[in-house]
Formats: sequence, C-alpha cells, structure tokens
Amino acid sequence: GQQLNQSPQSMFIQEGEDVSMNCTSSSIFNTWLWYKQDPGEGPVLLIALYKAGELTSNGRLTAQFGITRKDSFLNISASIPSDVGIYFCAGRVLTGTASKLTFGTGTRLQVTL
Amino acid sequence: GAGVSQSPSNKVTEKGKDVELRCDPISGHTALYWYRQSLGQGLEFLIYFQGNSAPDKSGLPSDRFSAERTGGSVSTLTIQRTQQEDSAVYLCASSLSLGTHGETQYFGPGTRLLVL
Repeated sequence: GQQLNQSPQSMFIQEGEDVSMNCTSSSIFNTWLWYKQDPGEGPVLLIALYKAGELTSNGRLTAQFGITRKDSFLNISASIPSDVGIYFCAGRVLTGTASKLTFGTGTRLQVTL
Repeated sequence: GAGVSQSPSNKVTEKGKDVELRCDPISGHTALYWYRQSLGQGLEFLIYFQGNSAPDKSGLPSDRFSAERTGGSVSTLTIQRTQQEDSAVYLCASSLSLGTHGETQYFGPGTRLLVL
C-alpha cells in the first residue's frame, strides 16, 4: 500500500540535543498526524495538524503542516532518554465518511546519555 | 478507563492454518480500524468499520483476509490458509464518529503473528 516518505530512517542523538524529522508525500492531505510507538505497544498520537501552514506545539514537541499540504515536520527539543522510540507521520484525506490514515515508514530515535 | 484491547498478544501458527485475531474497541467508539505492521515498516491500512455502514475493505491484501464487527463493538480479523508473508503485527484502532477535524484513533497493543 501507499506510504509516505519519512526521513531520516533512524538517528542517534545525545541527550539534550534537538531533533528534527520530516515527512513528504506526492498527495495532498487534509490532516497530518504524528505518532510515537514504543516497543511492544501501539502508536500513540502526539500532535494533530488540521490547517495548511499550522504550527502546533505540545511540550517539547513542535510540528508544522506544510503550506502545500504535502509535507510536515516534527521537532523535539532538548531530547531525553524516554524520547526513544519510533516516530510515524500519518496523513488523512477526508472523503465522506472515509478516514483512512496513510503512514510514513517511521523514524527510529535512539538517545545516548 | 479501558483502552483498545487485542487478543491474543502473540500467535504462532503453521503455514496453511487459519487464525482469528480479536479487537475490543473503546466503549462508545463507532469507528474501528485494522492495520498491519511488518518488521521495521510503517502501518498498512487493512479495513475500516464505521457504524452500520458497509466496511471499507480496500486495504485487504487478498481474499484470504476478512473481518467482521459484531454488534458494532468487537471485531475479528480472520486470515485463512496463512502464509509466511502474513507474519506481522496486526494493530487495531478505534475512534469516535468522524467530526469536522476527523477523529483521534486510539491503538491497541497489537497481535504479533508468526507463521512458520
């Protein structure tokens, strides 16, 4: 099935560093979502973006909905060990009652002390 | 309150056998989704139930895959004549009815299926 292009695939960073990851698509989405998945768990929603150009923060997380509606980025400031996990972007197109999410390939974040 | 639950948490089966995976959504959530996550990959949409509407089955990879949702609550994903490439984590999610901004999907922990 279709997947969004997400980069980087993985990253090692030192505790305290800022992190940036992004997602691009050839298709337009109405909504962009960012999820985090811990080992053995399902994804948990971090941030939802509903308008092109929207910039939203949630604690140390900041995400933006690209103006073209084909991309989004997620920044994590001052990373801590519990930030370790896999981060997925997801795009949604609302058509009638349909609401499928298309997921990115994931960014695996590992933090070294 | 209880979140989305799935059972079994792990399933090992032999090639050619049928398997059933169960999802209990959050009470009151009318929408239910099944996704498949292969090792190191993102989530692949399989099927979507919304209230009493006909399900969106556009993501099912073959006719060996089917899903039911009984009484608008519990859902079962069935894979017939399993193949090794069916090995993956199968995730279920539920949400409230679609609103202006869509809805937040809450995921279960998944069922890890291994086909030998």
